[in-house]
Amino acid sequence: GQQLNQSPQSMFIQEGEDVSMNCTSSSIFNTWLWYKQDPGEGPVLLIALYKAGELTSNGRLTAQFGITRKDSFLNISASIPSDVGIYFCAGHLNAGNNRKLIWGLGTSLAVNP
Amino acid sequence: DADVTQTPRNRITKTGKRIMLECSQTKGHDRMYWYRQDPGLGLRLIYYSFDVKDINKGEISDGYSVSRQAQAKFSLSLESAIPNQTALYFCATSEGALDEQFFGPGTRLTVL
Repeated sequence: GQQLNQSPQSMFIQEGEDVSMNCTSSSIFNTWLWYKQDPGEGPVLLIALYKAGELTSNGRLTAQFGITRKDSFLNISASIPSDVGIYFCAGHLNAGNNRKLIWGLGTSLAVNP
Repeated sequence: DADVTQTPRNRITKTGKRIMLECSQTKGHDRMYWYRQDPGLGLRLIYYSFDVKDINKGEISDGYSVSRQAQAKFSLSLESAIPNQTALYFCATSEGALDEQFFGPGTRLTVL
């Protein structure tokens, strides 16, 4: 089936550092969604992207929808301890009721205070 | 109050038992989903429903069944639980053209 390749699989950084993670695929996506999952909780939507080339920010988070529609990245600036968690990318293939949401396997982020 | 709630939050059961996990939402969304999460495997779709009369299998539906009792309620059943169904289970909802999914807090299920 369709796959999203999310990298890196895990990151261990110092507080204050910037973080970058990305998702790539051989398929073309209509949307990209970035989620964060805190331990013991469900994923929470951080940023949604709907147009190729779109760059969107949410506080210290910035995400972009790749111009080829096959990739997306998420950057976190000046990381803080509460950024710890698993970050998932997800993308919609196709449209209408044939639309499918494909998930990456996640990037686990640890922040050393 | 949470928009998407799941009960129970934790459940330990034995092999062969029938288990039902429940999901309720107050977001007014038509679409509801059940996912399973295992370490290193991300989120895998079990079943989804686009409205009360619509039920669709996801990528890992074997061993599971669902019921959409109302727009706001979507239940997942394990007819005869087995140990490899031990996992975190999440319910999600979405709506409209944007179709952003919103998740419940999850149910941690352990099958002994």
